[in-house]
Amino acid sequence: NAGVTQTPKFQVLKTGQSMTLQCAQDMNHEYMSWYRQDPGMGLRLIHYSVGAGITDQGEVPNGYNVSRSTTEDFPLRLLSAAPSQTSVYFCASSGGQGAATNEKLFFGSGTQLSVL
Amino acid sequence: GQQLNQSPQSMFIQEGEDVSMNCTSSSIFNTWLWYKQDPGEGPVLLIALYKAGELTSNGRLTAQFGITRKDSFLNISASIPSDVGIYFCAGLPRLWGGYNKLIFGAGTRLAVHP
Repeated sequence: NAGVTQTPKFQVLKTGQSMTLQCAQDMNHEYMSWYRQDPGMGLRLIHYSVGAGITDQGEVPNGYNVSRSTTEDFPLRLLSAAPSQTSVYFCASSGGQGAATNEKLFFGSGTQLSVL
Repeated sequence: GQQLNQSPQSMFIQEGEDVSMNCTSSSIFNTWLWYKQDPGEGPVLLIALYKAGELTSNGRLTAQFGITRKDSFLNISASIPSDVGIYFCAGLPRLWGGYNKLIFGAGTRLAVHP
């Protein structure tokens, strides 16, 4: 059972470049989310989805886009990378729908992104 | 927005020592959780707490949901080298309307000296 799979593991971009971070889960979870981890700031929510076709903004959504066409996949797009987006990005999912069940998150192993 | 204040920021201890860390907020939370992140990996859920005053153990780890519902505590007994990592508290705030989103503390970085 693979759980939550993120690709790539590492990525270096130049300012202004675009890219997509991939996230896939095989647990049939309805809830999926993207976090960024910066030193001393914990994990901050970028975007989340409560099911296919439904997405919403988290705490730090600017500069990022998401879509959810299937239950399994939740890609994160950087349209024009900026140095401030240098961070470690984590995708996470959880089972069920509604506020009561989105706390038991399963995380991927992360993508370390550097923007020069 | 709502914030969780986690302390200490880091700890460097000897193997065999007990460890205590806590998380506080000015707001009431309905659920408290503790996650651990090993180096190079994503966080993994350790313990979930759902009621004020609740005390839950997972092996050498014990966590408590504060009675005021504004804090939570994690204790690790008889630490071992594999306890090294970052420990995050997280909580679901009491919310009137909208979709409730998990909030994370900044983490406590634990180093264990053999």
